[in-house]
Amino acid sequence: DAGVIQSPRHEVTEMGQEVTLRCKPISGHNSLFWYRQTMMRGLELLIYFNNNVPIDDSGMPEDRFSAKMPNASFSTLKIQPSEPRDSAVYFCASSPIFFPGSRAYEQYFGPGTRLTVT
Amino acid sequence: GQNIDQPTEMTATEGAIVQINCTYQTSGFNGLFWYQQHAGEAPTFLSYNVLDGLEEKGRFSSFLSRSKGYSYLLLKELQMKDSASYLCAVRDKTGNNRKLIWGLGTSLAVNP
Repeated sequence: DAGVIQSPRHEVTEMGQEVTLRCKPISGHNSLFWYRQTMMRGLELLIYFNNNVPIDDSGMPEDRFSAKMPNASFSTLKIQPSEPRDSAVYFCASSPIFFPGSRAYEQYFGPGTRLTVT
Repeated sequence: GQNIDQPTEMTATEGAIVQINCTYQTSGFNGLFWYQQHAGEAPTFLSYNVLDGLEEKGRFSSFLSRSKGYSYLLLKELQMKDSASYLCAVRDKTGNNRKLIWGLGTSLAVNP
């Protein structure tokens, strides 16, 4: 199994530019999660999807952030316009379906995208 | 509010035993996870507890007390490769939401 795939692995951009992060979950996993990790705030959930439908986006910092999951094998996280404070490592993770009553499956993380906004 | 507390840093000696504690306060509880994260890498799953008691998996064990809002991860026969950050995460249970709430992690340094 290829595991969760993320691209790009590193992104350096200037303030004000649009940034798009991509994720391919593990085949057969119905839940997908976007996280942001910084030293100060640790791992923060931004949004998660079940069966391509957003369930909780309360962690999305502001309107500059948006996420889509057009099909079961692809998701994007977009930041427009980017700001220096968005610099962090962004992880995508997937798991079997994640809903009330389901077994609590572990999440499998991708390698992350290290974003630097100058 | 929701809060998960772990020590920021710990050090231990190769071959020894170390216990990493985690206390939590969440609006709902539906299980607790421990993950390991090496520097520059992604978190990887170590253990899961949903009932009180000890779960053992090789050199690693995890304990849960739901009444106390407390868990620990026990690492035995420490090896240098165990130097990493250990993340405690609670599966919240609020309405239909089952998201994970994460601690900031405990950075463990294993010295020879």
